[in-house]
Amino acid sequence: AQSVSQHNHHVILSEAASLELGCNYSYGGTVNLFWYVQYPGQHLQLLLKYFSGDPLVKGIKGFEAEFIKSKFSFNLRKPSVQWSDTAEYFCAVKSSASKIIFGSGTRLSIRP
Amino acid sequence: GAVVSQHPSRVICKSGTSVKIECRSLDFQATTMFWYRQFPKKSLMLMATSNEGSKATYEQGVEKDKFLINHASLTLSTLTVTSAHPEDSSFYICSAATRSGANVLTFGAGSRLTVL
Repeated sequence: AQSVSQHNHHVILSEAASLELGCNYSYGGTVNLFWYVQYPGQHLQLLLKYFSGDPLVKGIKGFEAEFIKSKFSFNLRKPSVQWSDTAEYFCAVKSSASKIIFGSGTRLSIRP
Repeated sequence: GAVVSQHPSRVICKSGTSVKIECRSLDFQATTMFWYRQFPKKSLMLMATSNEGSKATYEQGVEKDKFLINHASLTLSTLTVTSAHPEDSSFYICSAATRSGANVLTFGAGSRLTVL
């Protein structure tokens, strides 16, 4: 069965620090990969997605993620975080079974 | 952009009663809707996949007789928690996919259910 692992449960950074959140999935076939963000008190929003093509995808608010097939990874990055990036970040995978499975989430706290 | 409305946002009920949560796609037709349950400090757990005009597909371990899902139209899916118990207290989130954007989900704001 497919699964998604986010090893960082809580990340605390200072403003302007660089960010990388890990995401690994287990599924051998073709996958679509996503990062969703949930700001405090708000609903989940799509940050970026990978379907095919360039493995480095750029999303909103300066976020990007790189799909490395050999490592089954889809890590999220941002070169310089802001206080407004404080949120919960979820990695998700959609396999050919057409259902989207989420990782356990990473809480990002930014110190002003 | 696509908007999914979920109602009610919060509901408190007595143990043994049933609660219905509605999920509506406001400006697009949703052929498929997904119901998730979010536990405190945990991920979203997929409960079931709801397809318009057919029976929902439940994930392993989810009681279909307890969590009734109906997707009668292309804009509305409902989740009914029957004979609710305190352990059913949770945050329930629906999401919808369109035909063209079937790989991208639009999420509702969620419904906080508290069973006393």
